[in-house]
Order: sequence, then structure tokens, then C-alpha cells
Amino acid sequence: AQSVTQPDIHITVSEGASLELRCNYSYGATPYLFWYVQSPGQGLQLLLKYFSGDTLVQGIKGFEAEFKRSQSSFNLRKPSVHWSDAAEYFCAVGSSGTYKYIFGTGTRLKVLA
Amino acid sequence: SQTIHQWPATLVQPVGSPLSLECTVEGTSNPNLYWYRQAAGRGLQLLFYSVGIGQISSEVPQNLSASRPQDRQFILSSKKLLLSDSGFYLCAWSQGGDSPLHFGNGTRLTVT
Repeated sequence: AQSVTQPDIHITVSEGASLELRCNYSYGATPYLFWYVQSPGQGLQLLLKYFSGDTLVQGIKGFEAEFKRSQSSFNLRKPSVHWSDAAEYFCAVGSSGTYKYIFGTGTRLKVLA
Repeated sequence: SQTIHQWPATLVQPVGSPLSLECTVEGTSNPNLYWYRQAAGRGLQLLFYSVGIGQISSEVPQNLSASRPQDRQFILSSKKLLLSDSGFYLCAWSQGGDSPLHFGNGTRLTVT
């Protein structure tokens, strides 16, 4: 069965520091992978997606993610965090064989001024 | 461009009362539609999805039901709310295949 694990529930970084949020997935075939961001009381906004091809994908707001098949990982990175990046981040996996999208439990990011 | 509308934004209902949450999508046809529930610290739980009018797949046995009376309309209902139905409900759509989900702004439901 498909599953997504985000091992870090909370992460705190200083403004201007680099960021890496971890995501591991379990899926038999090549999955479709996504990262979303959610501000309090809002819906989820798509940051970036991976389907195939280049394993380093660029997204909005200066985020990028790298797909590593050997590690079943799709970690999200940003070289310099801004205070406005404080939010909750969700990794998700989908597949062409089903209509389902499975989400991780999220990582809440706090940014210190 | 495509947009998704979800209402109401907040709702406070007594236990035992009915529920109806609506979601509509504009700017696309035959979307796949989804209802998720989000509880604090527990991520997103898929409740229902629909790949066409009248086609509803239920993921979690519960006190809720879903309907799709029109191509771009998705409704989440309950005949009698329970305290455990409280949560943040999110509607979403996708074009299928490898396309991502696009979310509405959510409904905060509090059952008292």
C-alpha cells in the first residue's frame, strides 16, 4: 500500500538559514510526488510536483525538491528561509493506477527572526 | 483558469443536526473531486472521491456521505452530526492522470 512519512513534526529555523524537510514514500512503481504548503485556516497550495525526468524540481516561492529513487525520498529544500515561510508543509504521493492521493502527517515550520 | 469554491468557511452545529457542505469547480470539465478531513496533527484523511457524476467512492466508513449531482459540484452531508465529526474539511479537484490536487479554502466545522 502507498504511504508517506514525514518524520519531523516540527522544525524551527532562523530566518535566512537553509531548510530541508524530509519525505519518504512507499510505492511499488514510480509515484507522482507533490509538496504542498498550508497557512493556518487555509487550504493547501501546491509548491511543486515530480512526475518523471529531471530529479531536481523547482517550485514556487524559491523551493526545490529532489527525488531519490534509491532512498524513496522526496525532500523539500530552500536555501534561505523567510519569516513568511512559517506554515505547515505536506508531502503527498499519487499514482496513475488509482485516483487517490496520500498525504503525510505534515511538518510545521517555525521561523525565528 | 480553474477555481474551486467551498462554503461555508466556518460552521458551528449541535450534535444530531444535519450537515451539508458544498464545493464547486469552475473552468474545467469532468474533474475528479475529493473530500478530505484534517484533524490537528493527523494530516489529511481522504473521505470520498468521485470520478464522474453519481460515482462516489468512500474511503472511511463513518457518519458522512457524499453526492455529486452535477459535473462540477460535490456535496458532503450527514443526517446527524457527532462530536467526532468536528474538523477542517477540504474539497479538492484534479484533472486525473499525473495532475496534482487543487484545494479549496476549507470549512471549519465545530460540533457542539
